[in-house]
Amino acid sequence: SQKIEQNSEALNIQEGKTATLTCNYTNYSPAYLQWYRQDPGRGPVFLLLIRENEKEKRKERLKVTFDTTLKQSLFHITASQPADSATYLCAPGGGYNKLIFGAGTRLAVHP
Amino acid sequence: GAGVSQSPSNKVTEKGKDVELRCDPISGHTALYWYRQSLGQGLEFLIYFQGNSAPDKSGLPSDRFSAERTGGSVSTLTIQRTQQEDSAVYLCATSGGFSGRAGETQYFGPGTRLLVL
Repeated sequence: SQKIEQNSEALNIQEGKTATLTCNYTNYSPAYLQWYRQDPGRGPVFLLLIRENEKEKRKERLKVTFDTTLKQSLFHITASQPADSATYLCAPGGGYNKLIFGAGTRLAVHP
Repeated sequence: GAGVSQSPSNKVTEKGKDVELRCDPISGHTALYWYRQSLGQGLEFLIYFQGNSAPDKSGLPSDRFSAERTGGSVSTLTIQRTQQEDSAVYLCATSGGFSGRAGETQYFGPGTRLLVL
């Protein structure tokens, strides 16, 4: 069955450093992959989408890579800030927008 | 409103009771999804509506779960004879639903936190 793996342990980093989150998937060939941010008690919020023919996508301090050979996406936040602290969800998708979400990685940025 | 709204925000019920959860989508969005999120878990797909097409019910965990979408707008998720394992946050999301445009952003509501005692 399709499986999405994200680091289950929280990622703790110092303010100003680059945070790197990993998403691995198996038994799946998604046409695109989305990243969402979720704050406690709230629904996820869309951040970035990258398609299978794109290697890298950037938006402000965010960068996403998509390696269809490794079946992996990396999500980077540069110059991280305490306000970036949240859970980040990876969601590969295909077809009619049916997404499969990973459990998410909690990021904590310390001043 | 500008976003997806859900009601109630919190629901406490007794085991065996039925509950109805409501989702009001963004105006004009034709695609609507229901997900379930248990504590510390990822989002579990439940059901998907797209326009007038038959819904994709492949994620519903049992026949106690059902959902309707009236007039292509408001959706109601019904859980009959609730069990303690149904306790979770139920999230609704909508997207524009333009056919053939894969990868559309999904806009989520704040969720309904269901606790079954």
